[in-house]
Amino acid sequence: EVQMVESGGGLAQPGGSLRLSCAVSGFTLRTYAMSWVRQAPGKGLEWVSGLSASGDATFYADSVKGRLTISRDDFTNTLYLQIYSLRADDTAVYYCAKGGGSAGLGSFDYWGQGTRVSVSS
Amino acid sequence: DIQMTQSPSSLSASVGDRVTITCRASHDINFRLAWYQQKPEKAPKALIYAASSLQGGVPSRFSGSGSGTDFTLTISGLQPEDFATYYCQQYDNYPRTFGQGTKLEIK
Repeated sequence: EVQMVESGGGLAQPGGSLRLSCAVSGFTLRTYAMSWVRQAPGKGLEWVSGLSASGDATFYADSVKGRLTISRDDFTNTLYLQIYSLRADDTAVYYCAKGGGSAGLGSFDYWGQGTRVSVSS
Repeated sequence: DIQMTQSPSSLSASVGDRVTITCRASHDINFRLAWYQQKPEKAPKALIYAASSLQGGVPSRFSGSGSGTDFTLTISGLQPEDFATYYCQQYDNYPRTFGQGTKLEIK
């Protein structure tokens, strides 16, 4: 059974940093591409970052480029998102999402429950 | 970036109705389109990938069609649990992009 559990969210100061984690089970991160998708309060879904299955390619939305780093630990099967220089508009629920296979490659077939990030002084 | 535009933004319907939501891509994305359902305070749930393929466990009253730039999600015989917000997403290119969402409400 696929399970994905995010953690690391909370209240943070503008200009600070946070590291979000997504612990997965039921599959290995080396087999599927992964992404982070966020949702600001009352807004729609926004893809922010992706990591290839091989782990050697990373992708970022223009709105966050230079401030986010996606990575993973293959030993603990955990996906990470490091957010630097936090801004008020980073306030959102952050979801990790598992990439689909074959014809669904690039879609997201499983999602974590989300971790909430609030940026405020 | 590929822009995804959904219509309508909101929709009122009754249990048992048939509803259709449209998603238009700003560029040809072939069949690389997915649909998701999201209920308040919950994570999105995958419904359809490759424009028309149902994810495992999704009821057959959900169906998708289209290719290129124009796509539809149809729900035949609405059930009470179907009232939610629906999003389309393209995966032809990075950055992945979502439509703005369609909120399906009970009439």
